[in-house]
Amino acid sequence: QKEVEQDPGPLSVPEGAIVSLNCTYSNSAFQYFMWYRQYSRKGPELLMYTYSSGNKEDGRFTAQVDKSSKYISLFIRDSQPSDSATYLCAMSLNTDSWGKLQFGAGTQVVVTP
Amino acid sequence: SAVISQKPSRDICQRGTSLTIQCQVDSQVTMMFWYRQQPGQSLTLIATANQGSEATYESGFVIDKFPISRPNLTFSTLTVSNMSPEDSSIYLCSVEGKGRVEAFFGQGTRLTVV
Repeated sequence: QKEVEQDPGPLSVPEGAIVSLNCTYSNSAFQYFMWYRQYSRKGPELLMYTYSSGNKEDGRFTAQVDKSSKYISLFIRDSQPSDSATYLCAMSLNTDSWGKLQFGAGTQVVVTP
Repeated sequence: SAVISQKPSRDICQRGTSLTIQCQVDSQVTMMFWYRQQPGQSLTLIATANQGSEATYESGFVIDKFPISRPNLTFSTLTVSNMSPEDSSIYLCSVEGKGRVEAFFGQGTRLTVV
């Protein structure tokens, strides 16, 4: 069983719709939960992170973490064609290095005009 | 933020040969990380490279197959040795943000082994 599970998609939505992405994980020791966006032939870029359980909002993006269910979500409101990318959830076990991450497989999102 | 340059961006190699991937960062960093992204799979950490010490490898990865050098605080190399088609992947270099909960990635090296 993988430590982090993520549906690879593709997920196709019309412009303006809400995109809903999620990941489940098995290791309850994870403390930091991140969402990265990766465009084709580029490296991942951090969208946002959340510490422990709770919600975090940044513009059109909302991240949610439910540690009791080992479930995290990312919502993209008013989606735009420029949001078309692969979205990767990532998790960190400890605080001494943000660079050691466990990633989900990534969900490909296509926003159609 | 950190700007990371990787070379080469892509390569096609014969099985049995080796390829060395270079990673250059625009600022000094303590730790550098090497990841592998196989088709349809998640990014998987290969090893952590500290300057002045041996790299630390994750389970399933060994130094003989993926030797790493870290000669200074801005540069690292990853070698993929004795390649087979199963090594066809994207290899990414990464560094952590200073005082920030963030990891920065290079654009990756797309390797195809034939």
